[in-house]
Amino acid sequence: DAGVTQSPTHLIKTRGQHVTLRCSPISGHKSVSWYQQVLGQGPQFIFQYYEKEERGRGNFPDRFSARQFPNYSSELNVNALLLGDSALYLCASSLGPQSREQYFGPGTRLTVT
Amino acid sequence: QQQVKQSPQSLIVQKGGISIINCAYENTAFDYFPWYQQFPGKGPALLIAIRPDVSEKKEGRFTISFNKSAKQFSLHIMDSQPGDSATYFCAAIRPNTGNQFYFGTGTSLTVIP
Repeated sequence: DAGVTQSPTHLIKTRGQHVTLRCSPISGHKSVSWYQQVLGQGPQFIFQYYEKEERGRGNFPDRFSARQFPNYSSELNVNALLLGDSALYLCASSLGPQSREQYFGPGTRLTVT
Repeated sequence: QQQVKQSPQSLIVQKGGISIINCAYENTAFDYFPWYQQFPGKGPALLIAIRPDVSEKKEGRFTISFNKSAKQFSLHIMDSQPGDSATYFCAAIRPNTGNQFYFGTGTSLTVIP
């Protein structure tokens, strides 16, 4: 079975631009969470979605938004990019909203110049 | 504020030795404590996890020791191998918060042949 897939693998954007990152969960998993991992740090929780509804939100500005589609895939959108948004963006899937076992994708490396 | 504090930042161990990574937390509401292993260019992978009603959990060469009164938990890697060289993250989560995990800052482990 395929694991969590994310696209694109790498992305370079300019300050002020907008970016969309995509994630497909493991088959059968209905919950998707997004994390930001700055170089040298642990992942920081951004969002969790389950059944197309936001179930949790971390301490991130409104420039960050996400949505989940009927097939449980998800998009993370970041507007008005800042240099500090440069990071590895990780998607994790789990069976349900309270499932403790989550499985991470390989991430999307975003560089903002 | 770092919810979970992890040490050391880096660790070098001889092949066959024991690797020990420590984490401490303040929030007594945390009820699930996983450890993740991350190789360069990959997302974190769940290694082993423990709940606070258990003092120790062992899976193969990996053991979590949990000290509830001290609010500390540690990962022990027995018979460390070069293939264990990776970054390790501890994490914690409160009940009914979905997948809002709090991660430590990571420990870079190098096992020397």
